[in-house]
Amino acid sequence: EVILTQSPATLSLSPGQGVSLSCRASQSVGSYLHWYQQKPGQAPRLLIYDASNRATGVPARFSGSGSGTDFFLTISRLEPEDFAVYYCQHRAVWPLTFGQGTKVEI
Amino acid sequence: EVQLVESGGGLVQPGGSLRLSCVASGFTFSTYRMNWVRQAPGKGLEWVSYITTGSDDIQYADSVKGRFTISRDNAQNSVFLQMNSLRDEDTAVYYCARDSSGTYSYHAFDIWGHGTLVTVSS
Repeated sequence: EVILTQSPATLSLSPGQGVSLSCRASQSVGSYLHWYQQKPGQAPRLLIYDASNRATGVPARFSGSGSGTDFFLTISRLEPEDFAVYYCQHRAVWPLTFGQGTKVEI
Repeated sequence: EVQLVESGGGLVQPGGSLRLSCVASGFTFSTYRMNWVRQAPGKGLEWVSYITTGSDDIQYADSVKGRFTISRDNAQNSVFLQMNSLRDEDTAVYYCARDSSGTYSYHAFDIWGHGTLVTVSS
């Protein structure tokens, strides 16, 4: 099983700041890594697929990078609606697994 | 509107069974692979199960293998999760999620339902 470790667990930031969230895989997953955003009481939303591709409707301030075992989700300038929990998920092998999440709080 | 609506959650005793349903609308259900993902209260996301369009490839997380069964009925635009031998640790919100496959990427979940809460407790 591929273990995805996200860091840090929580980030306290202000609107307008930039941030990079880390997701590290226990073995190489190539570029087969997706990112989701989840707000309280809501289902997750797909942001980035296959490491660096934005899903439809995702603002350009969100970008993904990385390959192999180290991945990053970057938010260039935080908007108030970006404060949420972010999860990474791989699709390299069965079983699919998620990281434990990074909470971005004000 | 593209939509997934889950139902069937509730309170069940340990060792009991429950069947979850997810009805799709607004897209051609029969052409999409589907998944179940769960989230324990206050915890992260856990992938549970996957099924292809023709039900010819099915996968499970180790934590549910042998106890849960995924199935689908393309005529009814529905995917199901039969959950047997339920344990306390199965308590979670269960989401059905569309596998974006050719739209974006395999096993990227682009449409999610609102979830249904399963509580396993005596």
